[in-house]
Amino acid sequence: LAKTTQPVSMDSYEGQEVNITCSHNNIATNDYITWYQQFPSQGPRFIIQGYKTKVTNEVASLFIPADRKSSTLSLPRVSLSDTAVYYCLVGDTYQAGTALIFGKGTTLSVSS
Amino acid sequence: GAVVSQHPSRVICKSGTSVKIECRSLDFQATTMFWYRQFPKQSLMLMATSNEGSKATYEQGVEKDKFLINHASLTLSTLTVTSAHPEDSSFYICSSRIRGGPYNEQFFGPGTRLTVL
Repeated sequence: LAKTTQPVSMDSYEGQEVNITCSHNNIATNDYITWYQQFPSQGPRFIIQGYKTKVTNEVASLFIPADRKSSTLSLPRVSLSDTAVYYCLVGDTYQAGTALIFGKGTTLSVSS
Repeated sequence: GAVVSQHPSRVICKSGTSVKIECRSLDFQATTMFWYRQFPKQSLMLMATSNEGSKATYEQGVEKDKFLINHASLTLSTLTVTSAHPEDSSFYICSSRIRGGPYNEQFFGPGTRLTVL
């Protein structure tokens, strides 16, 4: 599994756009990039997944450059409820029976 | 999305007792479930992989005789913490993915907070 590096923490204010970058220099050809969100005392929740270029859903956007050695999770107009830990994971999506291995994640704090 | 439940959501027990935590996939079949442990301010640590109808696979450093895992059906896996001690106090989370679905889109339970006195 490719190792990932994210900022330990980020601060933002309500209404701002937040971009969290993850570097994964050793990403393999078959690997996808996946982001999870975890609120305190809850299990993680899948946010978004991508392979290359840009992916957008109702929650976030994921930008992946051509070399795929990094990715950026973009949260538009954050609110207080977006305060959480965000994890970037990289792996082969079709490996059956393989667990997700979590790194340290990025703690996002949103203030009013 | 698929729903995974855990029971109980929190439990307090005395040192030396055993505690069972249930993990259920409510609307899908889960041939494989994963158990994680999370200490305060830390990331999730994989403890073991639970496979329906077979023995669990434990991560290095996790005592299989202390953390008993049973995956007797396609919708239920249990983790029993035997002879619990205060250092076992933690947040235990299970996860699974839909059978045949992408491995990195997994569904997590709400977690079980274990406090050992």
